[in-house]
Amino acid sequence: EAGVVQSPRYKIIEKKQPVAFWCNPISGHNTLYWYLQNLGQGPELLIRYENEEAVDDSQLPKDRFSAERLKGVDSTLKIQPAELGDSAVYLCASSLDSGRMDEQFFGPGTRLTVL
Amino acid sequence: GQQLNQSPQSMFIQEGEDVSMNCTSSSIFNTWLWYKQEPGEGPVLLIALYKAGELTSNGRLTAQFGITRKDSFLNISASIPSDVGIYFCAGRNANAGKSTFGDGTTLTVKP
Repeated sequence: EAGVVQSPRYKIIEKKQPVAFWCNPISGHNTLYWYLQNLGQGPELLIRYENEEAVDDSQLPKDRFSAERLKGVDSTLKIQPAELGDSAVYLCASSLDSGRMDEQFFGPGTRLTVL
Repeated sequence: GQQLNQSPQSMFIQEGEDVSMNCTSSSIFNTWLWYKQEPGEGPVLLIALYKAGELTSNGRLTAQFGITRKDSFLNISASIPSDVGIYFCAGRNANAGKSTFGDGTTLTVKP
């Protein structure tokens, strides 16, 4: 069975450009998470979805970040415009439901470099 | 907000040696989790702890949920080269919708 799929794996852009990351969770997983991981740090939750509903987006910088999970399956995280400080790894994870939050499966991440 | 302090920040050991790392918090958690992350991959859950004082093993890995609920420990016995990676602790409270991660302990094992 395929794990969490993310694309692209790497992205290099210039500041002020837009960028989008895509995530396809494990089939049947209702809960989807987007995390930000800065170099030398642990992941920090940006947003959590239950099916198509964003139930926790308190850590998402809404002035430039947006996310959607329209059909409750795959999800897209967008940054517009990107800033130098956005350079990081963006991780997606999924779990069967929020009750099994501890059993999250992470994707390999998208490494973003903003020049 | 809640912060987790992991130590040591990095470790360089010889193959076959045992490893100990720990995680402390300024506040209590109801759940402690330990993950391993290898280069270019996402974290993978190693051990989950749900009860104060609990000691749980997963192969050569053993983790403990501290009695005070403010700390947790991970031990790796007889390390091997494939143990190389970054080990993260994470704490979560029962009603919280997210885990708080530490900054990781980077483990290097010399053959």
